[in-house]
Parts: sequence; structure tokens; C-alpha cells
Amino acid sequence: DAGVIQSPRHEVTEMGQEVTLRCKPISGHNSLFWYRQTMMRGLELLIYFNNNVPIDDSGMPEDRFSAKMPNASFSTLKIQPSEPRDSAVYFCASMYQGAQYNEQFFGPGTRLTVL
Amino acid sequence: AQTVTQSQPEMSVQEAETVTLSCTYDTSENNYYLFWYKQPPSRQMILVIRQEAYKQQNATENRFSVNFQKAAKSFSLKISDSQLGDTAMYFCAFMAGGSEKLVFGKGTKLTVNP
Repeated sequence: DAGVIQSPRHEVTEMGQEVTLRCKPISGHNSLFWYRQTMMRGLELLIYFNNNVPIDDSGMPEDRFSAKMPNASFSTLKIQPSEPRDSAVYFCASMYQGAQYNEQFFGPGTRLTVL
Repeated sequence: AQTVTQSQPEMSVQEAETVTLSCTYDTSENNYYLFWYKQPPSRQMILVIRQEAYKQQNATENRFSVNFQKAAKSFSLKISDSQLGDTAMYFCAFMAGGSEKLVFGKGTKLTVNP
């Protein structure tokens, strides 16, 4: 398996622009997570899905952030409009809920820079 | 709410030596899982080792082992025979049983010196 795939790996945009981050989970996994990593706040869970349904979005910072999972093999995290404080590394992770070991597998991350 | 504390922001060790990274957590749960993740400069998050709270035996994976003290809510990582490739950020993480959410500590930056 190719692992969790994220695109783009790097994104540089200007304040006010819309940004869309993409994630393809590991085939067969039924849970998907979006994390944000910054120096100040560390790794934070933004939202997670189970069987394509959002379960907990309490970590989403504000209405500018939205996430969707239209099917089991694709998810997006959208920021509109983007702000400089959104600059961070965004990770997607997937897991098979119900496995003997609850292990989340992480993608390589997307480094977002908002100028 | 669960919290995870890593009290050592940075550590260094000489190649081939042993180093221990500390982690404490706070929870009222009795059933949970604990993890150590490694994040090298490539930024890829890699699972190093996991521990189920109901298991008394400490987990071991090759050169990596943990000291799990449930009563003290402590979960330290020991790296034996340190290698240059062990240089990375190490994150301790907690997952309550029945939950899928990982709560991470702030991380410890480990440098292995030649």
C-alpha cells in the first residue's frame, strides 16, 4: 500500500485566497483525521471522520475552515479565506477502527504558508 | 479532558549511548492506549511503540522500550544503542479506550551526536 497520500506537499498562497488540502487514506481504513502542527500549539486534532461521517469537529478553529469526505478514499480540508496565522503543517491520518491495535497512519503532511 | 506532558523540550545523547524521554499524562479513564511517535526532519510521523494500559508488561520494539507506570501515569521511552538516525522529534500520545482521538504532548527534540 502507498500509505496515506496528501497533496500538495507545499502550498504558498496570499492572505484572502482559498486553500484546499487533499488526502487519500489507506484503502480499507474507515477513520480519517486532520491535524495541524505549529511550533506554538504542537499537534492539534482539527476534525475526524468515521465511515465518511464527521464525528468530532470541535478542533476546527473557526468558520473559515471546512472539511469534507465525499467517499471512503478522499477527503479535503478547505480554508477560505486564508490568513497568515493559518501557516502550519497539516497532516492527514487514517486508521481502521476495530483493529486489535488502534494505530493511526500519518501522511507526509502539507506545509502551508500564507503570506 | 486528557492531557499529555513532555517536560524535556530538548535532549542530546552520544551515539551508542542510552537515553530516556519522559512523558506523563492525566486521565480518569482506566482503559487507554499510549504511543510514542517519531518525527524526523522529513516531518513524517512514524509510530515507534505502543502500550495498552491493561497490559502490565512493558512494550519493547528492538532498541526501543517503555517504562509504563500506570499508578504514576508515567510513560517514558528508552532508546538503547542510540543511532544517528534516531535524531528526531519524539511525541508521546494518549488515546482513551473506545475513542479514536489522539492527544499529543508538545514533543522532545532528540539529537544523537557522533
